[in-house]
Amino acid sequence: GQQLNQSPQSMFIQEGEDVSMNCTSSSIFNTWLWYKQEPGEGPVLLIALYKAGELTSNGRLTAQFGITRKDSFLNISASIPSDVGIYFCAGHTIQGGSEKLVFGKGTKLTVNP
Amino acid sequence: DSGVTQTPKHLITATGQRVTLRCSPRSGDLSVYWYQQSLDQGLQFLIQYYNGEERAKGNILERFSAQQFPDLHSELNLSSLELGDSALYFCASSASGDTEAFFGQGTRLTVV
Repeated sequence: GQQLNQSPQSMFIQEGEDVSMNCTSSSIFNTWLWYKQEPGEGPVLLIALYKAGELTSNGRLTAQFGITRKDSFLNISASIPSDVGIYFCAGHTIQGGSEKLVFGKGTKLTVNP
Repeated sequence: DSGVTQTPKHLITATGQRVTLRCSPRSGDLSVYWYQQSLDQGLQFLIQYYNGEERAKGNILERFSAQQFPDLHSELNLSSLELGDSALYFCASSASGDTEAFFGQGTRLTVV
């Protein structure tokens, strides 16, 4: 089945540093989504990408949909303590009338004040 | 608030029992997805419904089943529960032709 390889698995950074994480797949996706999950909560949608090559920002977050449609990255600039959480990438595809939203295993971000 | 409502928030039950988790999607959303998240694990796709019909199936055990009702709410039924079924169960919804999925707060199931 389709799998997303998300890296790194975890990151420990100092407040103010920039963060970069990415997702790759052997399959093509029509849409890439990035979510953030805080402890005990459901994932919250951060950014949605719909076109290959698309670069989208949401405040200090920037994400890109890879040209090959098989990868995406998320950057967080000038990290702050409330950025702590698990970041998930997700790829959406429609094949033969079947729709799937596949998630990576997540990147756990820890920000030291 | 994502607009997706899941009940109950917490559930503790014994092995061998059966439980039903409920999800009300965002108003107007036709698609409902169910995911399982075990401790420190990613989101495992279980099943998806679209406008009342099963659209896609993931790694869902035979002991588990789901359905989507005419009012578009969905239920996930878990039977013959085992200790390993303890997890967070999330529901997400998306609108027709819109791939942005929004998650509920989840149901934390503990099997003792």
